[in-house]
Amino acid sequence: EPEVTQTPSHQVTQMGQEVILRCVPISNHLYFYWYRQILGQKVEFLVSFYNNEISEKSEIFDDQFSVERPDGSNFTLKIRSTKLEDSAMYFCASSWTGYTDTQYFGPGTRLTVL
Amino acid sequence: DQQVKQNSPSLSVQEGRISILNCDYTNSMFDYFLWYKKYPAEGPTFLISISSIKDKNEDGRFTVFLNKSAKHLSLHIVPSQPGDSAVYFCAASVNRLAFGKGNQVVVIP
Repeated sequence: EPEVTQTPSHQVTQMGQEVILRCVPISNHLYFYWYRQILGQKVEFLVSFYNNEISEKSEIFDDQFSVERPDGSNFTLKIRSTKLEDSAMYFCASSWTGYTDTQYFGPGTRLTVL
Repeated sequence: DQQVKQNSPSLSVQEGRISILNCDYTNSMFDYFLWYKKYPAEGPTFLISISSIKDKNEDGRFTVFLNKSAKHLSLHIVPSQPGDSAVYFCAASVNRLAFGKGNQVVVIP
């Protein structure tokens, strides 16, 4: 069964460093998403991406964040200058159509900012 | 942001009995509702969904009920099985998914 994959599974970085989290969505899906879950809190929507541009973003997704689909398979989330409060699980998801379609989630990347 | 609320953070149920999970929401614009299940070290897995034009959707052991006037939905799992032990998230959408905090379900063999 097709699945969303994410790398790395765990990323440790120093505050102020840039990180890139990588995702390979399901191959025929057209919509891509990033979510995060801070320990003990809700899964929070960050951004949705369609047709090579951001379609929705939350208040969390500020100028420190960017997303890119650099080729036909990868979907990346970049955090330019990490802060302690960016420590969280980051989940990538994809769907065939928009928000009323089932979103399939990857296993997540645990980001630890020291 | 309290748009989707799941109270009673944990639930223990005997194998074979019914598990009932509840979810309340505040945004009347939500038009699509979903339940996800999550095991440790994995991403959320889709379980079942319902659109706002329906009040019930059933898929095998899982049934979701929607009460729009009360802004309430529930998930029924019957019969519960040990493999159902997981965290269950309610989610609602208008143009993005908003998640509840999750309910830990433990099914006792």
